[in-house]
Amino acid sequence: GENVEQHPSTLSVQEGDSAVIKCTYSDSASNYFPWYKQELGKRPQLIIDIRSNVGEKKDQRIAVTLNKTAKHFSLHITETQPEDSAVYFCAATYTGRRALTFGSGTRLQVQP
Amino acid sequence: GAVVSQHPSWVICKSGTSVKIECRSLDFQATTMFWYRQFPKQSLMLMATSNEGSKATYEQGVEKDKFLINHASLTLSTLTVTSAHPEDSSFYICSASPVVNTEAFFGQGTRLTVV
Repeated sequence: GENVEQHPSTLSVQEGDSAVIKCTYSDSASNYFPWYKQELGKRPQLIIDIRSNVGEKKDQRIAVTLNKTAKHFSLHITETQPEDSAVYFCAATYTGRRALTFGSGTRLQVQP
Repeated sequence: GAVVSQHPSWVICKSGTSVKIECRSLDFQATTMFWYRQFPKQSLMLMATSNEGSKATYEQGVEKDKFLINHASLTLSTLTVTSAHPEDSSFYICSASPVVNTEAFFGQGTRLTVV
């Protein structure tokens, strides 16, 4: 089955700096890659997603890149703010599977 | 976005008792829902796929007699933790998608504590 690895497990940046979180996946059939943000004790919320037919997607301060050949995808947050502090999960799935396989999570702390 | 509601948000039960957790899709029909378990500071691990009108599909290592899943309607799936033990204490969370292979919406999660 699919295996998703995520790095780093923790990331501390200064407010205004950029943050990058990386994930690799094992199943070449995977074609949908969402990123979720989870605040303590709350449900995960989708922040951005990308499909395998594109290499990059951007939404304001957040961007995701996908390298299908290398089977890795990354989340980029620019101009970080304290409210960006949370745990971020990458995930992967493919058409027909429906269930998401999650990475291990990255705890991002933005220092004011 | 779509709304998935989970109830209760937290529950404390005694060892040996059973606990039922409900997951409802409020504004869409979900023929499939997913149940995850999350330990503190860890990722979401898929437990089972709940299928409306048929048996749930359990992931390897998940005891189907321990974690009973019922998906009796297009908007409701229930997870019953039977004969609960302290090691079953965890955060259980469900998800569903209005459209296949699109954004998954999560319930609020249920924090189960077995004493």
